[in-house]
Amino acid sequence: GNSVTQMEGPVTLSEEAFLTINCTYTATGYPSLFWYVQYPGEGLQLLLKATKADDKGSNKGFEATYRKETTSFHLEKGSVQVSDSAVYFCALIGQGAQKLVFGQGTRLTINP
Amino acid sequence: DAGVIQSPRHEVTEMGQEVTLRCKPISGHNSLFWYRQTMMRGLELLIYFNNNVPIDDSGMPEDRFSAKMPNASFSTLKIQPSEPRDSAVYFCASIYGDSSYNEQFFGPGTRLTVL
Repeated sequence: GNSVTQMEGPVTLSEEAFLTINCTYTATGYPSLFWYVQYPGEGLQLLLKATKADDKGSNKGFEATYRKETTSFHLEKGSVQVSDSAVYFCALIGQGAQKLVFGQGTRLTINP
Repeated sequence: DAGVIQSPRHEVTEMGQEVTLRCKPISGHNSLFWYRQTMMRGLELLIYFNNNVPIDDSGMPEDRFSAKMPNASFSTLKIQPSEPRDSAVYFCASIYGDSSYNEQFFGPGTRLTVL
């Protein structure tokens, strides 16, 4: 079945550091890929998405590129801020499906 | 729009009691999802509805759990009887159209504690 594997957290960085959170997936066909973010005490929010190979999703300075050859969708940001502290979830939806399959989440803490 | 609304935000109950969680999806959205989040198991999809009809309930843990969607603007998730291992945050999400392209909008969650 479809699955998503994220790098384990927690991740702690200083403000303005470069961020990478790794995500790899297993799926048949051509899934759509997503990054969701969960701020403390809130539900998940869509951060960015990519629906086909080589697409780059971007939002709020975050980027991720759909790499079919490596089955990856790594999240990057060039300069993180304290306000980026949250839990980040990589997810996929299989081709023709409606169900999101989530990774285990990565807790990110940014120190000033 | 107010977004997805869930109630209550927090529920503390004793083992054996019935618990009902409520969700109001965003107006016009045609699919609704119930998720459970725990430290041990992460985010799990319990059940989802399309046009008020349950499509996939394979994630519902056991017969103690049931979900209904009597109309397009309301859904409930019921646990009867509740057990301590049901303690978790339960999220409701809704979407219009195809999940492959569109965003699932999540509610703020209900934090359930079963003593």
